[in-house]
Amino acid sequence: KAGVTQTPRYLIKTRGQQVTLSCSPISGHRSVSWYQQTPGQGLQFLFEYFSETQRNKGNFPGRFSGRQFSNSRSEMNVSTLELGDSALYLCASSLEGTGGNGYTFGSGTRLTVV
Amino acid sequence: QKEVEQNSGPLSVPEGAIASLNCTYSDRGSQSFFWYRQYSGKSPELIMFIYSNGDKEDGRFTAQLNKASQYVSLLIRDSQPSDSATYLCAVYAGGTSYGKLTFGQGTILTVHP
Repeated sequence: KAGVTQTPRYLIKTRGQQVTLSCSPISGHRSVSWYQQTPGQGLQFLFEYFSETQRNKGNFPGRFSGRQFSNSRSEMNVSTLELGDSALYLCASSLEGTGGNGYTFGSGTRLTVV
Repeated sequence: QKEVEQNSGPLSVPEGAIASLNCTYSDRGSQSFFWYRQYSGKSPELIMFIYSNGDKEDGRFTAQLNKASQYVSLLIRDSQPSDSATYLCAVYAGGTSYGKLTFGQGTILTVHP
Protein backbone atom coordinates (compact mmCIF):
# COMPACT_ATOMS: atom_id res chain seq x y z
CA LYS A 1 0.00 0.00 0.00
CA ALA A 2 1.58 3.25 -1.10
CA GLY A 3 2.09 5.91 1.54
CA VAL A 4 1.59 9.63 1.36
CA THR A 5 3.57 11.15 -1.49
CA GLN A 6 4.75 14.74 -1.41
CA THR A 7 6.52 16.53 -4.22
CA PRO A 8 8.94 18.10 -4.58
CA ARG A 9 11.19 17.11 -1.67
CA TYR A 10 13.23 20.29 -1.76
CA LEU A 11 12.63 23.78 -3.09
CA ILE A 12 14.63 26.98 -3.09
CA LYS A 13 12.71 30.13 -3.93
CA THR A 14 13.35 33.85 -3.86
CA ARG A 15 11.38 36.31 -1.74
CA GLY A 16 8.28 37.49 -3.56
CA GLN A 17 7.89 34.37 -5.66
CA GLN A 18 5.11 31.85 -5.28
CA VAL A 19 5.28 28.11 -4.82
CA THR A 20 2.98 25.13 -5.22
CA LEU A 21 3.41 21.90 -3.26
CA SER A 22 1.66 18.64 -4.02
CA CYS A 23 0.38 15.81 -1.84
CA SER A 24 -1.11 12.47 -2.87
CA PRO A 25 -2.82 10.74 0.07
CA ILE A 26 -3.01 7.04 0.81
CA SER A 27 -5.45 5.36 -1.53
CA GLY A 28 -8.95 5.56 -0.05
CA HIS A 29 -8.12 8.43 2.28
CA ARG A 30 -10.30 11.42 1.62
CA SER A 31 -8.89 13.91 4.13
CA VAL A 32 -5.66 15.81 3.57
CA SER A 33 -4.24 18.21 6.13
CA TRP A 34 -1.27 20.50 5.73
CA TYR A 35 1.22 21.51 8.41
CA GLN A 36 4.18 23.83 8.67
CA GLN A 37 7.09 22.75 10.84
CA THR A 38 9.78 25.17 12.01
CA PRO A 39 12.32 24.88 14.83
CA GLY A 40 10.78 27.80 16.68
CA GLN A 41 7.06 27.11 16.30
CA GLY A 42 7.00 23.35 15.90
CA LEU A 43 4.20 21.75 13.92
CA GLN A 44 1.36 24.11 13.09
CA PHE A 45 -1.85 23.29 11.28
CA LEU A 46 -2.51 25.14 8.02
CA PHE A 47 -5.76 23.68 6.66
CA GLU A 48 -7.67 20.53 5.89
CA TYR A 49 -9.52 19.39 2.78
CA PHE A 50 -12.14 16.71 2.41
CA SER A 51 -14.03 15.91 -0.78
CA GLU A 52 -12.60 19.00 -2.47
CA THR A 53 -13.84 21.28 0.33
CA GLN A 54 -11.82 23.15 2.91
CA ARG A 55 -13.35 22.22 6.24
CA ASN A 56 -10.85 23.73 8.63
CA LYS A 57 -8.21 26.43 8.57
CA GLY A 58 -5.43 27.44 10.93
CA ASN A 59 -4.10 30.89 11.77
CA PHE A 60 -2.05 31.61 8.70
CA PRO A 61 -2.27 34.62 6.37
CA GLY A 62 -4.22 34.47 3.16
CA ARG A 63 -0.99 34.00 1.20
CA PHE A 64 -1.34 30.34 2.15
CA SER A 65 -4.01 28.57 0.18
CA GLY A 66 -4.84 25.11 -1.00
CA ARG A 67 -7.18 22.95 -2.95
CA GLN A 68 -8.14 19.35 -3.37
CA PHE A 69 -8.98 17.48 -6.52
CA SER A 70 -11.59 14.81 -7.12
CA ASN A 71 -8.95 12.07 -6.72
CA SER A 72 -8.15 13.47 -3.23
CA ARG A 73 -4.76 14.80 -4.28
CA SER A 74 -4.12 18.18 -2.75
CA GLU A 75 -1.99 21.17 -3.54
CA MET A 76 -0.82 23.97 -1.32
CA ASN A 77 0.17 27.37 -2.66
CA VAL A 78 2.13 30.12 -0.97
CA SER A 79 2.22 33.46 -2.73
CA THR A 80 4.57 36.40 -2.20
CA LEU A 81 7.08 34.30 -0.30
CA GLU A 82 8.78 35.73 2.77
CA LEU A 83 11.97 34.58 4.45
CA GLY A 84 9.90 33.36 7.39
CA ASP A 85 8.10 30.89 5.15
CA SER A 86 11.21 28.72 5.11
CA ALA A 87 10.07 25.50 6.73
CA LEU A 88 9.26 21.86 6.30
CA TYR A 89 5.76 21.52 4.88
CA LEU A 90 4.03 18.29 5.69
CA CYS A 91 0.79 16.84 4.54
CA ALA A 92 -1.13 14.25 6.52
CA SER A 93 -3.61 11.77 5.13
CA SER A 94 -6.53 10.19 6.96
CA LEU A 95 -9.75 8.38 6.11
CA GLU A 96 -12.20 10.99 7.33
CA GLY A 97 -10.14 13.62 9.16
CA THR A 98 -12.01 13.03 12.40
CA GLY A 99 -9.22 11.64 14.55
CA GLY A 100 -10.14 8.06 13.85
CA ASN A 101 -7.24 5.81 12.98
CA GLY A 102 -4.64 8.48 13.03
CA TYR A 103 -2.94 10.61 10.46
CA THR A 104 -0.11 9.46 8.22
CA PHE A 105 2.42 12.04 7.21
CA GLY A 106 4.26 12.33 3.94
CA SER A 107 8.01 12.87 3.74
CA GLY A 108 7.53 16.61 3.47
CA THR A 109 8.75 19.41 1.25
CA ARG A 110 11.66 21.43 2.56
CA LEU A 111 11.15 25.01 1.37
CA THR A 112 13.98 27.52 1.60
CA VAL A 113 13.26 31.15 0.81
CA VAL A 114 16.30 33.30 0.03
CA GLN B 1 -0.77 28.21 28.80
CA LYS B 2 0.11 26.14 25.76
CA GLU B 3 -2.61 23.84 24.48
CA VAL B 4 -0.35 20.77 24.54
CA GLU B 5 2.71 20.63 26.74
CA GLN B 6 5.34 17.94 26.92
CA ASN B 7 7.90 17.32 29.63
CA SER B 8 10.98 19.32 28.95
CA GLY B 9 13.92 17.47 27.54
CA PRO B 10 16.18 16.30 26.45
CA LEU B 11 15.71 12.93 28.09
CA SER B 12 18.62 10.53 28.25
CA VAL B 13 18.27 6.90 29.33
CA PRO B 14 20.60 3.90 29.17
CA GLU B 15 19.91 1.06 26.79
CA GLY B 16 17.42 -1.40 28.27
CA ALA B 17 15.81 1.14 30.61
CA ILE B 18 12.26 2.48 30.57
CA ALA B 19 11.78 5.89 28.98
CA SER B 20 8.80 7.88 30.22
CA LEU B 21 7.38 10.70 28.13
CA ASN B 22 4.60 12.91 29.43
CA CYS B 23 2.09 15.28 27.93
CA THR B 24 -0.71 17.48 29.27
CA TYR B 25 -3.46 19.18 27.29
CA SER B 26 -5.76 22.07 28.03
CA ASP B 27 -8.95 21.21 26.11
CA ARG B 28 -10.95 18.94 28.40
CA GLY B 29 -13.18 17.83 25.54
CA SER B 30 -10.31 16.42 23.47
CA GLN B 31 -11.14 13.07 21.95
CA SER B 32 -8.06 11.39 20.51
CA PHE B 33 -4.43 11.34 21.48
CA PHE B 34 -1.42 10.39 19.42
CA TRP B 35 2.26 9.78 19.87
CA TYR B 36 4.55 10.38 16.92
CA ARG B 37 8.25 9.71 16.58
CA GLN B 38 10.36 11.96 14.40
CA TYR B 39 13.93 11.18 13.48
CA SER B 40 16.15 14.09 12.55
CA GLY B 41 15.44 15.22 9.01
CA LYS B 42 12.45 12.90 8.65
CA SER B 43 8.70 13.30 8.93
CA PRO B 44 6.63 12.26 11.98
CA GLU B 45 5.75 8.58 12.21
CA LEU B 46 2.69 7.43 14.16
CA ILE B 47 3.59 5.13 17.06
CA MET B 48 0.33 4.85 18.95
CA PHE B 49 -3.07 6.41 19.44
CA ILE B 50 -5.43 6.17 22.37
CA TYR B 51 -9.02 7.30 22.93
CA SER B 52 -10.12 5.78 26.23
CA ASN B 53 -8.87 6.16 29.77
CA GLY B 54 -6.36 3.55 30.81
CA ASP B 55 -3.45 1.83 29.16
CA LYS B 56 -2.87 0.65 25.63
CA GLU B 57 0.07 -1.57 24.88
CA ASP B 58 1.79 -2.30 21.57
CA GLY B 59 5.02 -4.22 21.82
CA ARG B 60 7.52 -2.20 23.83
CA PHE B 61 5.26 0.86 23.85
CA THR B 62 2.49 1.66 26.33
CA ALA B 63 0.30 4.72 26.08
CA GLN B 64 -1.58 5.87 29.17
CA LEU B 65 -4.50 8.29 29.20
CA ASN B 66 -6.13 10.03 32.15
CA LYS B 67 -8.81 12.38 30.90
CA ALA B 68 -9.68 13.64 34.37
CA SER B 69 -6.12 14.85 34.81
CA GLN B 70 -5.81 15.79 31.12
CA TYR B 71 -2.67 13.76 30.93
CA VAL B 72 -1.26 11.29 28.43
CA SER B 73 2.02 9.46 28.59
CA LEU B 74 4.16 7.07 26.59
CA LEU B 75 6.36 4.43 28.14
CA ILE B 76 9.08 2.76 26.11
CA ARG B 77 10.33 -0.44 27.70
CA ASP B 78 13.72 -1.98 26.95
CA SER B 79 14.82 1.24 25.23
CA GLN B 80 17.14 0.81 22.27
CA PRO B 81 19.56 3.27 20.65
CA SER B 82 17.26 3.18 17.61
CA ASP B 83 14.55 4.77 19.79
CA SER B 84 16.61 7.96 19.93
CA ALA B 85 14.39 10.58 18.30
CA THR B 86 12.01 13.42 19.04
CA TYR B 87 8.67 12.24 20.40
CA LEU B 88 5.64 14.38 19.64
CA CYS B 89 2.37 14.30 21.55
CA ALA B 90 -0.64 15.31 19.46
CA VAL B 91 -4.26 15.90 20.39
CA TYR B 92 -7.43 15.89 18.29
CA ALA B 93 -10.06 18.11 19.84
CA GLY B 94 -13.07 16.70 18.02
CA GLY B 95 -16.10 18.67 16.93
CA THR B 96 -15.27 20.87 13.95
CA SER B 97 -11.52 20.41 14.33
CA TYR B 98 -11.44 18.41 11.13
CA GLY B 99 -7.98 17.23 10.24
CA LYS B 100 -6.32 19.29 12.94
CA LEU B 101 -3.89 17.84 15.39
CA THR B 102 -2.40 20.14 17.99
CA PHE B 103 1.17 19.16 18.74
CA GLY B 104 3.39 19.62 21.75
CA GLN B 105 6.85 20.98 21.26
CA GLY B 106 8.37 17.51 21.39
CA THR B 107 10.74 15.71 23.72
CA ILE B 108 14.16 14.67 22.49
CA LEU B 109 15.02 11.17 23.69
CA THR B 110 18.54 9.80 23.60
CA VAL B 111 19.19 6.15 24.42
CA HIS B 112 22.86 5.57 25.09
CA PRO B 113 24.51 2.14 24.87
